Amino acid sequence: NAGVTQTPKFQVLKTGQSMTLQCAQDMNHNSMYWYRQDPGMGLRLIYYSASEGTTDKGEVPNGYNVSRLNKREFSLRLESAAPSQTSVYFCASRDKLLLNTEAFFGQGTRLTVV
Amino acid sequence: DQQVKQNSPSLSVQEGRISILNCDYTNSMFDYFLWYKKYPAEGPTFLISISSIKDKNEDGRFTVFLNKSAKHLSLHIVPSQPGDSAVYFCAASGDGGTSYGKLTFGQGTILTVHP
Repeated sequence: NAGVTQTPKFQVLKTGQSMTLQCAQDMNHNSMYWYRQDPGMGLRLIYYSASEGTTDKGEVPNGYNVSRLNKREFSLRLESAAPSQTSVYFCASRDKLLLNTEAFFGQGTRLTVV
Repeated sequence: DQQVKQNSPSLSVQEGRISILNCDYTNSMFDYFLWYKKYPAEGPTFLISISSIKDKNEDGRFTVFLNKSAKHLSLHIVPSQPGDSAVYFCAASGDGGTSYGKLTFGQGTILTVHP
């Protein structure tokens, strides 16, 4: 049981380049999330998808787009990367049909924009 | 607008003593609270949670206390062990209004347990 799988694990981009971070979960969860972790800022929610077919902005959505491709997959796209987007990105999933459950996280993607 | 706040960036305790990590929230729609632990280069892992209908939940060495009137929760670790050294995040969720499905985290507290 793989849980939440993120690819790639590491990436270096030049300013202005685009890329998509992939996330897949095999737990049949309804809700999926993208967070970024920066020193002193904790885990900040970028976008989330409460259920298949819906997406909503979190605290820091600017510069990002998401796609809930199907129930398993939730991708995060940077259209034109900026140095301020250098961060560690985490994807998470949660079974929201069961009230009050925990979210499971992937291992993270460390992104550097130069 | 930081709806979940952990005001102590770091905490240092001696092995065997109690560690107390604190968390405050502002959104009264939150009704479920969680604590996560994170080691370097790994994703956060779930530790313990509490529903707003309770004021205490225990799991082994870990106890979470919730004070709804003060919008405050705390995590107690007794006794603390060196392996507990990690970053601890509190998180909150609530299904009211536009918050459906949202899971909001605090800034984290770095716990160091000295042998």
